[in-house]
Amino acid sequence: DVKVTQSSRYLVKRTGEKVFLECVQDMDHENMFWYRQDPGLGLRLIYFSYDVKMKEKGDIPEGYSVSREKKERFSLILESASTNQTSMYLCASTSQGTNEKLFFGSGTQLSVL
Amino acid sequence: DQQVKQNSPSLSVQEGRISILNCDYTNSMFDYFLWYKKYPAEGPTFLISISSIKDKNEDGRFTVFLNKSAKHLSLHIVPSQPGDSAVYFCAASDLSGNQFYFGTGTSLTVIP
Repeated sequence: DVKVTQSSRYLVKRTGEKVFLECVQDMDHENMFWYRQDPGLGLRLIYFSYDVKMKEKGDIPEGYSVSREKKERFSLILESASTNQTSMYLCASTSQGTNEKLFFGSGTQLSVL
Repeated sequence: DQQVKQNSPSLSVQEGRISILNCDYTNSMFDYFLWYKKYPAEGPTFLISISSIKDKNEDGRFTVFLNKSAKHLSLHIVPSQPGDSAVYFCAASDLSGNQFYFGTGTSLTVIP
């Protein structure tokens, strides 16, 4: 069974803290993505990666960075957490090519106080 | 600019009736369309997809229709069940297959 695993389901952090969200997939997928989901705004792409050590900005990259040192692992970093980064964060992966579907992790609900 | 739109934020349907969720897109280069279902505090799960070469795909109670000329797709759930209550996202991928564009979601409530 395919799996995308996010390290935490719930996380509470203080303003200004550095936050790491980890994601691991076991499907040997080339592509990995980080989204955030907010009510009424749908899923918005933060960053994605097509290969190890490669990253591309999505629609809302400000305040975030990413790291992909290994094919199976894609980390999202909040350099200095702010209250407007309180959100549900979703990691996803897929194979390269057409007509492939995204597989999502179970999400991390981050609250920044 | 939002390339995939779901104009109905919410929908309520009686159990046993048909649920119809709609989605519009603007980019004619989109090649593959997907529907995801999401429960609160969980990640989205894949429901059904359709390639641009088809106009209909069916899987059990779920059917997706694609009208390319109108740039419109819809998800039909028949019969609707209370367990179908969730947020539904439509998504589209471009010809590269490497980018996915999501709508803002429709919250479906099926009333017992």
